[in-house]
Amino acid sequence: DAKTTQPPSMDCAEGRAANLPCNHSTISGNEYVYWYRQIHSQGPQYIIHGLKNNETNEMASLIITEDRKSSTLILPHATLRDTAVYYCIVRAETSGSRLTFGEGTQLTVNP
Amino acid sequence: NAGVMQNPRHLVRRRGQEARLRCSPMKGHSHVYWYRQLPEEGLKFMVYLQKENIIDESGMPKERFSAEFPKEGPSILRIQQVVRGDSAAYFCASSLSNSGANVLTFGAGSRLTVL
Repeated sequence: DAKTTQPPSMDCAEGRAANLPCNHSTISGNEYVYWYRQIHSQGPQYIIHGLKNNETNEMASLIITEDRKSSTLILPHATLRDTAVYYCIVRAETSGSRLTFGEGTQLTVNP
Repeated sequence: NAGVMQNPRHLVRRRGQEARLRCSPMKGHSHVYWYRQLPEEGLKFMVYLQKENIIDESGMPKERFSAEFPKEGPSILRIQQVVRGDSAAYFCASSLSNSGANVLTFGAGSRLTVL
């Protein structure tokens, strides 16, 4: 699986959009970009994933650059409950591929 | 539709005892992954199982740790002769298939404390 690079920490004001960047310059054509988060010591929570196209769901939007070497997770209206560690993970399409978690970005949403 | 269920949520063992952690995947999911998170550290992959088969155990310590996912019943992660360094949160995830397009859904975790 391709390696990802994320800033270790970010701050965001409550009610504003949180834009979390991820660099995955060695991504292959058959690798997906996944985003998970872990709130305090809870189990990781799936947010969104995509292959080539931008994706949106009820939680967030995922913007993948045309060359697929980077992506941005957007939380449109951050709340205090969005404070968590956010993980950007590249995952192969191949059989049985697991998720490999890196250090992630600690997002702190401030009142 | 219940999510991934893990039990016990908290387990205390003394050094040398055995710990058994259970994971019931989401309904219809036949693929299970176990992860460990040591205090103040990241999530580390341990093992990937399908029904009755271990597919990838590359992250599992070679000694004292074993995992199974029988035809009937939950997946079990077993730690024999526990040591203080085994104190951690153990998370289980399940997925519908082995495709990279399928989401892994995680449970709330089992927190093992070794005295």
